Amino acid sequence: SQQGEEDPQALSIQEGENATMNCSYKTSINNLQWYRQNSGRGLVHLILIRSNEREKHSGRLRVTLDTSKKSSSLLITASRAADTASYFCATPAGGTSYGKLTFGQGTILTVHP
Amino acid sequence: DTEVTQTPKHLVMGMTNKKSLKCEQHMGHRAMYWYKQKAKKPPELMFVYSYEKLSINESVPSRFSPECPNSSLLNLHLHALQPEDSALYLCASSSFITGTHTDTQYFGPGTRLTVL
Repeated sequence: SQQGEEDPQALSIQEGENATMNCSYKTSINNLQWYRQNSGRGLVHLILIRSNEREKHSGRLRVTLDTSKKSSSLLITASRAADTASYFCATPAGGTSYGKLTFGQGTILTVHP
Repeated sequence: DTEVTQTPKHLVMGMTNKKSLKCEQHMGHRAMYWYKQKAKKPPELMFVYSYEKLSINESVPSRFSPECPNSSLLNLHLHALQPEDSALYLCASSSFITGTHTDTQYFGPGTRLTVL
């Protein structure tokens, strides 16, 4: 089964508004990562939050992690048209499956100028 | 240099062809990955190489054959593919620190493969 599930599947907002995406996962994790993918391109790593962290910031990005609820959220503040992309959360399998990242289904974000 | 390069960008092949996808990184990473991504879906892991040795094969059909000739290069050899194998193939790399779990992966731009 998919480790990370995201909602909403699609989000459409105006420039300047905030965008919030959520991710849920099923098993214990060491860290949770968020990636962005522009249409038809490779993924770009945005932020990694470790299991002992509750919140992390990077520029206009804020990520929270609630290990008791097995959920994470990504907030993009003051969005720009250039933020239009698909956003994926990813969790590592760990153990002997070192290197295995399982991605959520993703949220397609559209920011209208 | 934090770049992962992939060639070719686009590839069209028939079901009887043999072709190869190439991936290169010069970040000193010792873990490299192949992913397959269908439209509007998340990437799906295919293979992981750690220190040039195949460490994970996600039950990928044998018509896909990975190769890691050295620590900077990763190839994916394709033979007798099916139309349903058409997808974006992504390569990624990451540092490998013994005893820790997966950290940041750096992705290439992908190869868009079409199988006719």
